[in-house]
Amino acid sequence: KQEVTQIPAALSVPEGENLVLNCSFTDSAIYNLQWFRQDPGKGLTSLLLIQSSQREQTSGRLNASLDKSSGRSTLYIAASQPGDSATYLCAVESGAGSYQLTFGKGTKLSVIP
Amino acid sequence: SQTIHQWPATLVQPVGSPLSLECTVEGTSNPNLYWYRQAAGRGLQLLFYSVGIGQISSEVPQNLSASRPQDRQFILSSKKLLLSDSGFYLCAWSSGGHEQFFGPGTRLTVL
Repeated sequence: KQEVTQIPAALSVPEGENLVLNCSFTDSAIYNLQWFRQDPGKGLTSLLLIQSSQREQTSGRLNASLDKSSGRSTLYIAASQPGDSATYLCAVESGAGSYQLTFGKGTKLSVIP
Repeated sequence: SQTIHQWPATLVQPVGSPLSLECTVEGTSNPNLYWYRQAAGRGLQLLFYSVGIGQISSEVPQNLSASRPQDRQFILSSKKLLLSDSGFYLCAWSSGGHEQFFGPGTRLTVL
């Protein structure tokens, strides 16, 4: 059974700092990995999707990497801003065509002005 | 562009009462549809998913059920709510690219 772990559970950084959020998964036979952002009381916003054949994806100040063999992904946020404060969730789809995501519990990020 | 709607946004129901949550998607055809629950201190849990009208797969046995009466409509129901059914219910859709897109959610409190 796939398990996804995100460490740390919470992170507080000063504005402008570059930061890395970590995600690990137990079964390396994944189809893709997706990073989401969730603001309090809101739904999830998709940030980046990395296919299993890819090593990284970039969108603006965000860069996500994937190392399937070691069961790890990182989300790099450059020049953090207070508006980046949210909970970041990692999810993996195991097996081609399953469409079923297994989520981590998230990292709650606070960017201090 | 695609849009996903959920209603109601919040709901407070007594134990033993019925439940009906609705999700609709606009701007896409034959999407895969999903119901998740997010409970305090726990990760998102997939409850049901559907790859087509009338096709429902259940991931977690419980007193909830799902139906898909139309291509872009997904309904989550219960005949009798339990206290443990409280949580944040999220609907999502995906298509060929497998990327999942989520709705705004329904906050359910069972008293």
